[in-house]
Amino acid sequence: DIQMTQSPSSLSASVGDTVTITCRASQGITNSLAWFQQRPGKAPKSLIFAASILQSGVPSNFSGSGSGTDFTLTISSLQPEDFATYYCQQYSSYPITFGQGTRLEIK
Amino acid sequence: EVQLLESGGGLVQPGGALRLACAASGFTFSGYAMTWVRQAPGKGLHWVSSISGSGSSTYYAASVKGRFTISRDNSKNTLYLQLNGLTADDTAVYFCAKSVAVAGKRLDSWGQGTLVTVSS
Repeated sequence: DIQMTQSPSSLSASVGDTVTITCRASQGITNSLAWFQQRPGKAPKSLIFAASILQSGVPSNFSGSGSGTDFTLTISSLQPEDFATYYCQQYSSYPITFGQGTRLEIK
Repeated sequence: EVQLLESGGGLVQPGGALRLACAASGFTFSGYAMTWVRQAPGKGLHWVSSISGSGSSTYYAASVKGRFTISRDNSKNTLYLQLNGLTADDTAVYFCAKSVAVAGKRLDSWGQGTLVTVSS
């Protein structure tokens, strides 16, 4: 199974800040990497797929990069609605696996 | 607009069974693989099972293989998950999610989830 390791597990930031979340795969997954945002009590929302392609309707302050085993999600100019939990997910092979999540909190 | 509506969750005793359903609309259901993902209270997302658009291929997490069965009725635009031999570790919100292709693993739309609680 491909293990996905996210860091940090939690993060405090202020409105207007830029933050970066990293996700490392235990083996190469080319660019088969997606990022999701989840607000409390809600379903996950797709943000990015193919490591760097923004899902339609996602604000441009979100960006993704990486290939192979190392990936990053960057959120610039943080808005109040961006404070949520973020998950990476590999879809290179079954079993599909997720990172453990990064909780982004308001400082 | 894609809509996914899960149902069938509830309180069940250890060893019991439950059948979850996910009613889909807004897209050609048979053209897309579907997936169940669960989230235990306060925990992260964990993939449970996936099924191809035709239903001919199914995939399971090791933790549920042999106990859970995924299926679909393309004539009713509905995805199912039969849960047998439930334990406390199966307590979670179960989400259904749509893939982007008939056999794809990339998920693009999610339902709101249905809560399964396993307790005596």
